[in-house]
Amino acid sequence: GAGVSQSPSNKVTEKGKDVELRCDPISGHTALYWYRQSLGQGLEFLIYFQGNSAPDKSGLPSDRFSAERTGGSVSTLTIQRTQQEDSAVYLCASSFGVARREEKLFFGSGTQLSVL
Amino acid sequence: AQSVTQPDIHITVSEGASLELRCNYSYGATPYLFWYVQSPGQGLQLLLKYFSGDTLVQGIKGFEAEFKRSQSSFNLRKPSVHWSDAAEYFCAGNQGGKLIFGQGTELSVKP
Repeated sequence: GAGVSQSPSNKVTEKGKDVELRCDPISGHTALYWYRQSLGQGLEFLIYFQGNSAPDKSGLPSDRFSAERTGGSVSTLTIQRTQQEDSAVYLCASSFGVARREEKLFFGSGTQLSVL
Repeated sequence: AQSVTQPDIHITVSEGASLELRCNYSYGATPYLFWYVQSPGQGLQLLLKYFSGDTLVQGIKGFEAEFKRSQSSFNLRKPSVHWSDAAEYFCAGNQGGKLIFGQGTELSVKP
């Protein structure tokens, strides 16, 4: 597609349920990022995939959070046993990758997650 | 740890006035630095970037930023603000291949 696509755009779930958020990066982009933006907060880095390298998971806030990237393209962010503090906008971004560090990121519109 | 910080959470300027948004970085080597803007209901958009060369970089929408090593700063400027510039602005730095963002500065523009 023309841009980074995220689905769903909105997700309402009950506390304790698991959720999956999907990201389709721009075709040809080898780097993929997940960020979280909470109300009044900045952009919090979660995880970074670059090609076939092991992902950088240093930003994941707890072991309830995990992410996969299948075939070097689509990525799924999974949050298990959701808590109210997980409510936020989850943003995905992609780029041509670390080989060109000045490369800009292209962001999706985000998934608004609300945990009741 | 390597990071970028934005000291101002919220700034209000009058339309037509000049603007400067502050960003400080802490990196050992010359960092790659970026400014992004997030307008209401819009996704994040790159305004400009610095990675080498001229320390004054020009971006879109009339914005510019100056890299000052002596002050560890990369402040964003615009000579005359328009009402449509009201948005949240994020400074970011490249750390180990991943982009780390500051906390953001919300800009309000009054008539």
